[in-house]
Amino acid sequence: GQQLNQSPQSMFIQEGEDVSMNCTSSSIFNTWLWYKQEPGEGPVLLIALYKAGELTSNGRLTAQFGITRKDSFLNISASIPSDVGIYFCAGRIQGAQKLVFGQGTRLTINP
Amino acid sequence: DVKVTQSSRYLVKRTGEKVFLECVQDMDHENMFWYRQDPGLGLRLIYFSYDVKMKEKGDIPEGYSVSREKKERFSLILESASTNQTSMYLCASRKGTALHGNQPQHFGDGTRLSIL
Repeated sequence: GQQLNQSPQSMFIQEGEDVSMNCTSSSIFNTWLWYKQEPGEGPVLLIALYKAGELTSNGRLTAQFGITRKDSFLNISASIPSDVGIYFCAGRIQGAQKLVFGQGTRLTINP
Repeated sequence: DVKVTQSSRYLVKRTGEKVFLECVQDMDHENMFWYRQDPGLGLRLIYFSYDVKMKEKGDIPEGYSVSREKKERFSLILESASTNQTSMYLCASRKGTALHGNQPQHFGDGTRLSIL
């Protein structure tokens, strides 16, 4: 089936640093979603992107829908301890009901 | 606010038991989904439903069935539980009509199921 390559798989950073992660695919998507999952919880939607080139912010988080429609990135600025968790990208092809998920990026922050 | 509620956070069952996982959403969403999440394998789609009494197989439907008798409720059934079905199960829902265009999925908090 379709695959999303999400990188990096894990990140260990200092509090205050900026974070960047991305997802790439061989397929063209018309929707990109970014979720965060904390231990023992379900994924929570952070940002939804619907147009190629779209750049959307949610507080310290910024995500972009790649021009080729085959990639997306998520940036977190000035990280804080509560940013710890696993971040997932997900994409949907035009007309499809199903999402394709990345494997997740586990973010750990050293205070 | 979107609310997807899974009936149990933790569940322990025995091999061979019939297990029901329940999910309810209060947003009048057409589409509902069941995933399992395992370390190193990410989220894998088991079944989804785009309307009452309608269901579609996802990527890993074997050993599972589903029921959607009412729009707000989507049940996942393990007909005869096995140890390899120990996992975190996540339910999601999404507004799905053409009128609403692309809408994101919203997830419940998950049910951590252990089969002994």
